[in-house]
Amino acid sequence: DTEVTQTPKHLVMGMTNKKSLKCEQHMGHRAMYWYKQKAKKPPELMFVYSYEKLSINESVPSRFSPECPNSSLLNLHLHALQPEDSALYLCASSQAGLGTEAFFGQGTRLTVV
Amino acid sequence: DQQVKQNSPSLSVQEGRISILNCDYTNSMFDYFLWYKKYPAEGPTFLISISSIKDKNEDGRFTVFLNKSAKHLSLHIVPSQPGDSAVYFCAASINNNDMRFGAGTRLTVKP
Repeated sequence: DTEVTQTPKHLVMGMTNKKSLKCEQHMGHRAMYWYKQKAKKPPELMFVYSYEKLSINESVPSRFSPECPNSSLLNLHLHALQPEDSALYLCASSQAGLGTEAFFGQGTRLTVV
Repeated sequence: DQQVKQNSPSLSVQEGRISILNCDYTNSMFDYFLWYKKYPAEGPTFLISISSIKDKNEDGRFTVFLNKSAKHLSLHIVPSQPGDSAVYFCAASINNNDMRFGAGTRLTVKP
């Protein structure tokens, strides 16, 4: 199994809603990441978890809250988002550090209305 | 601060010919470089990588060249196939931390 699975694939939420994005991998990878990608832009790193501990937080607003319940799961909790937060949210995992080959999920297309 | 740059947003190549995708970087501390391929509605897929101690890495039809003095790397695809049509992202990292992506180049291989 070399897949990173993200749910849901699409999400539309209002600015007062609370929602969560989920990511799962069963490759035994110990590092997991959240990226945000706007249209025609490169993926931008948001958070890195290494051995289930948050190791990098790229100055992301507190309305995004990551959670790593165990080594296979990564969540991104969303609350009070803004329309400009609409983007593709990508989860990735890798065996070792962030600079090594990462496997990406298909992403969650988020629209904030 | 765009530390990894792909200055060509698009490239069109005839099937069977060579595709050359270019990438420049500004941070001399980068020590590992990767190329990812992305199809619509899918996440990026790792393609090939190169360490800063090497200047060339080959994997089948894909070869990555690194010129550290010029802070430049390129991906060669020979021969190009229609299935190679995708967006290609160059990425760079320092000491297995962080990973900065370029803006991507959309490759179209015409039959």
